[in-house]
Amino acid sequence: NAGVTQTPKFRVLKTGQSMTLLCAQDMNHEYMYWYRQDPGMGLRLIHYSVGEGTTAKGEVPDGYNVSRLKKQNFLLGLESAAPSQTSVYFCASSYRRGQGSNQPQHFGDGTRLSIL
Amino acid sequence: SQQGEEDPQALSIQEGENATMNCSYKTSINNLQWYRQNSGRGLVHLILIRSNEREKHSGRLRVTLDTSKKSSSLLITASRAADTASYFCAGVPDSNYQLIWGAGTKLIIKP
Repeated sequence: NAGVTQTPKFRVLKTGQSMTLLCAQDMNHEYMYWYRQDPGMGLRLIHYSVGEGTTAKGEVPDGYNVSRLKKQNFLLGLESAAPSQTSVYFCASSYRRGQGSNQPQHFGDGTRLSIL
Repeated sequence: SQQGEEDPQALSIQEGENATMNCSYKTSINNLQWYRQNSGRGLVHLILIRSNEREKHSGRLRVTLDTSKKSSSLLITASRAADTASYFCAGVPDSNYQLIWGAGTKLIIKP
């Protein structure tokens, strides 16, 4: 099993450009999450999904959109990139909370995004 | 906003010594998880401790939880060079799906 796979691994954008980050998991997890990690800080939740076709806002959703058309994929979009969105983006997935409660999250290796 | 804090921010010890990291949080949580992050990689789940547990062991890891003080500690015994990483605590609230993350402790094990 590959676990959680993120593409691309690195990307440099100019201010105002758009892009989509792809996350794919092969563990049949119901929940998926997008985080950003900035130096000296922990993870901040951008958006999350509790199932196919559903999404919800996290702590820092502004400037991002997401879609979960298939259970195994969770896409993060930047419509008009800004330098403040320079960060490392992590996708994670987990089983539903009810299954054993407080399931651990499984992470991809991140996408390093620079906005010039 | 982040509601978890970790202490120390950075820790450098000799191989073979024990490493202790602390985590405190401001809100009520159900359980608490610890994760490790190697440089340039994603986070890896280490251990979960439930609110009705005071201490839990897994190999060289020992985790404590004090719900009255809203704090947790992670002890790594007999440290190895491979333990060099950042360690994060994440509180699991009752009310929603969002983990409360600490800012992490960067641990360096000197050979």
